[in-house]
Amino acid sequence: QKEVEQDPGPLSVPEGAIVSLNCTYSNSAFQYFMWYRQYSRKGPELLMYTYSSGNKEDGRFTAQVDKSSKYISLFIRDSQPSDSATYLCAISGGSNYKLTFGKGTLLTVNP
Amino acid sequence: EAGVTQFPSHSVIEKGQTVTLRCDPISGHDNLYWYRRVMGKEIKFLLHFVKESKQDESGMPNNRFLAERTGGTYSTLKVQPAELEDSGVYFCASSQDQRGEQFFGPGTRLTVL
Repeated sequence: QKEVEQDPGPLSVPEGAIVSLNCTYSNSAFQYFMWYRQYSRKGPELLMYTYSSGNKEDGRFTAQVDKSSKYISLFIRDSQPSDSATYLCAISGGSNYKLTFGKGTLLTVNP
Repeated sequence: EAGVTQFPSHSVIEKGQTVTLRCDPISGHDNLYWYRRVMGKEIKFLLHFVKESKQDESGMPNNRFLAERTGGTYSTLKVQPAELEDSGVYFCASSQDQRGEQFFGPGTRLTVL
């Protein structure tokens, strides 16, 4: 079983739609949960960083963590064409701080 | 403030040759990480420096890979000799402290023919 599972998509939505992206993980020692956005030919860019169960909101983005189910989500409200990118979940924890990534979900927002 | 920079952006070499990738972290960031994404797979951790010391090199695939960070500033990742399966995108990231945000560079795309 992979440590982090993420549906690679691709996911295509119309502009203005609510987007839901999800990951599951297997190791309960993970404590820190991140979502990165990666545009083509660029490096990953941190969008959201959480370390506890619950919701965290930043503008149109909401990150949700459910440690009991080992499930994390990213919601994008009022999606824009500029949101078109690959979204990567990343998790770390324990005594080391290396990131364990999901495969990434390719999102396209159509105008 | 300059972000993480990586050089070269793209390298094409033949199997058996040597390639050296370079990463310049954000100034003042003691923590430097190397990651790799092989086509079709997730980004995977290779190793972590704290200043000039290797904190964790558990992700290094084999002894053909050698990473250094002389003086705790920039880092190099040498692959010698390169094999076909080494093709992928090599990312470098840096952070101020170990729990802090990791800032990624644009990556070096390595193609081994």
